[in-house]
Amino acid sequence: QVQLQESGPGLVKPSETLSLTCNVSGGSISSYYWSWIRQSPGKGLEWIGYIYNTGTTNYNPSLQSRVTISVDTPKNQFFLILSSVTAADTAMYFCARRDYRSYYYYMDVWGKGTTVTVSS
Amino acid sequence: DIQMTQSPSSLSASVGDRVTITCRASQSISSYLNWYQQKPGKAPNLLIYAASTLQSGVPSRFSGSGSGTDFTLTINCLQPEDFATYYCQQSYNTPLTFGGGTKVEIK
Repeated sequence: QVQLQESGPGLVKPSETLSLTCNVSGGSISSYYWSWIRQSPGKGLEWIGYIYNTGTTNYNPSLQSRVTISVDTPKNQFFLILSSVTAADTAMYFCARRDYRSYYYYMDVWGKGTTVTVSS
Repeated sequence: DIQMTQSPSSLSASVGDRVTITCRASQSISSYLNWYQQKPGKAPNLLIYAASTLQSGVPSRFSGSGSGTDFTLTINCLQPEDFATYYCQQSYNTPLTFGGGTKVEIK
């Protein structure tokens, strides 16, 4: 049973960089796309982007100038970096696996989420 | 971006009721529509993908229908564990987008 676990600082100062790790256990990170999604009271669920284990990425244009997602396949981990954060980036951040059946894609395994607060 | 609009934003229902939630896309998305359930403090849980295919392990009282721009999630015989917030999400193209959610509360 694949499990995901997010980790990282819970508090980030405005204008600094948010860095999160998603650890994948119980299965290989290979052959799947891996997403970051966040949820804040003001904006609901927001897809940040995803990465394939080869390093191919796709980002939400609303965040593209500030976001980088990377992967470490041997360690079965992938990462989120969000630069120049503001209070609007305060949210619960989730990592998730994207799977598919017959070209229909969905996120079927999620981490429990980690809360990030942007405040000085 | 494709906008996803859910209605209602909240509803009150009793155990045993049949509940229907609708989701409308701002353009046709064929059947590229997923439904998730989320309980407070937890991650979303996939219920239905491809508009009507039940994810493994999800009770059969959940069903989905629709294609194009209009979709429905139905919960037959609502159970106590079904009180939660439900989200639709389109996977037709990126950026992936979610509806605003429907909170199902106990009457």
